[in-house]
Amino acid sequence: GQQVMQIPQYQHVQEGEDFTTYCNSSTTLSNIQWYKQRPGGHPVFLIQLVKSGEVKKQKRLTFQFGEAKKNSSLHITATQTTDVGTYFCAGYTGRRALTFGSGTRLQVQP
Amino acid sequence: EAQVTQNPRYLITVTGKKLTVTCSQNMNHEYMSWYRQDPGLGLRQIYYSMNVEVTDKGDVPEGYKVSRKEKRNFPLILESPSPNQTSLYFCASSLDRGRGYTFGSGTRLTVV
Repeated sequence: GQQVMQIPQYQHVQEGEDFTTYCNSSTTLSNIQWYKQRPGGHPVFLIQLVKSGEVKKQKRLTFQFGEAKKNSSLHITATQTTDVGTYFCAGYTGRRALTFGSGTRLQVQP
Repeated sequence: EAQVTQNPRYLITVTGKKLTVTCSQNMNHEYMSWYRQDPGLGLRQIYYSMNVEVTDKGDVPEGYKVSRKEKRNFPLILESPSPNQTSLYFCASSLDRGRGYTFGSGTRLTVV
């Protein structure tokens, strides 16, 4: 079964508010990847984190990989309507295939 | 343009009628995968392949078959589709385990 969990499932924010989604694995991950899927679209790769405690930024997006390499977070500062979509984390949980979390759907109210 | 191409985009079929969803990538990627996406369940892996003639089951392989005879192609076969296979299907490919996946545009399958 799925070993990568994401919370929350859904979040509705006002434009300009911050947003954070959390990803937790029951096993140590060799790396963690984040994807964004716009409504009606397909998942698009955003970034990969590999090192314990790693932090990466892409403009208003900040990605963190936990010290134990079992959890990760994506934080968006000052959301915009273009941030609307579902954000997925994904990791290799020991198997050779990439396992996706259940996703967090973000809705941004203008 | 580097891409993963899936066909068809939409398909309505009847229970029991064999069908194939094609997937092709032009990036010389080693890894290819099939996922299905259902509301509230995220992306669940059906099958994946690490190279030609090397395939393995994902989390939900029942009712599906795949083959990887050429590096660029990874078709998904439903020998006897059933209504519970109604879903949105994505094919994806990656150069290796340390890189992100490129996804196709998806195939929305309805089995009646």
